[in-house]
Amino acid sequence: EPEVTQTPSHQVTQMGQEVILRCVPISNHLYFYWYRQILGQKVEFLVSFYNNEISEKSEIFDDQFSVERPDGSNFTLKIRSTKLEDSAMYFCASSEGRAPGGKLFFGSGTQLSVL
Amino acid sequence: AQSVAQPEDQVNVAEGNPLTVKCTYSVSGNPYLFWYVQYPNRGLQFLLKYITGDNLVKGSYGFEAEFNKSQTSFHLKKPSALVSDSALYFCAVRDSSNTGKLIFGQGTTLQVKP
Repeated sequence: EPEVTQTPSHQVTQMGQEVILRCVPISNHLYFYWYRQILGQKVEFLVSFYNNEISEKSEIFDDQFSVERPDGSNFTLKIRSTKLEDSAMYFCASSEGRAPGGKLFFGSGTQLSVL
Repeated sequence: AQSVAQPEDQVNVAEGNPLTVKCTYSVSGNPYLFWYVQYPNRGLQFLLKYITGDNLVKGSYGFEAEFNKSQTSFHLKKPSALVSDSALYFCAVRDSSNTGKLIFGQGTTLQVKP
């Protein structure tokens, strides 16, 4: 089965530093998402992206966050100035369409640790 | 607003026994419900979904889920648990907005003991 790939699997950074989390969605998919999971908590929606623009974002996704699809294959999440509370597992997902019956495919995640 | 709830943080069963992981939902309109599983250090893997039709949905690894409209539930089941089923299980509903995002429950840890 096709896979969503994410790099790196682990990222350690100092508070205030910028990080970029990278994802390669499945090639024919059109909808892209970022989720995060703080340790012991639920998986939370951050942002959805379609047709080269953000289609929806949660209240978590503030001005410190941005997403980009720079080259037609990668999908990145940038955190401009990391805070301690940004420490979490970040999941990228993609889907072929937005039809409610379709499933999202998830990557293995990037564990971000902010020190 | 659409939401799902998983009332149990952890479920413990003995290998070979049936298992149930509970999920209830609240949606406006038709529910599109999913179960995902997360093994340690892995991403979320799709198990099964309910869109319409039979209330009993069969999925991967021998799992099935029963949709119950009157009880607004979508419980995950397996007739005979394996130790390798031990993982974190998430119920989710696909949002009816333009983005089609998934909204997850808080997750239930399944522990199957030999």
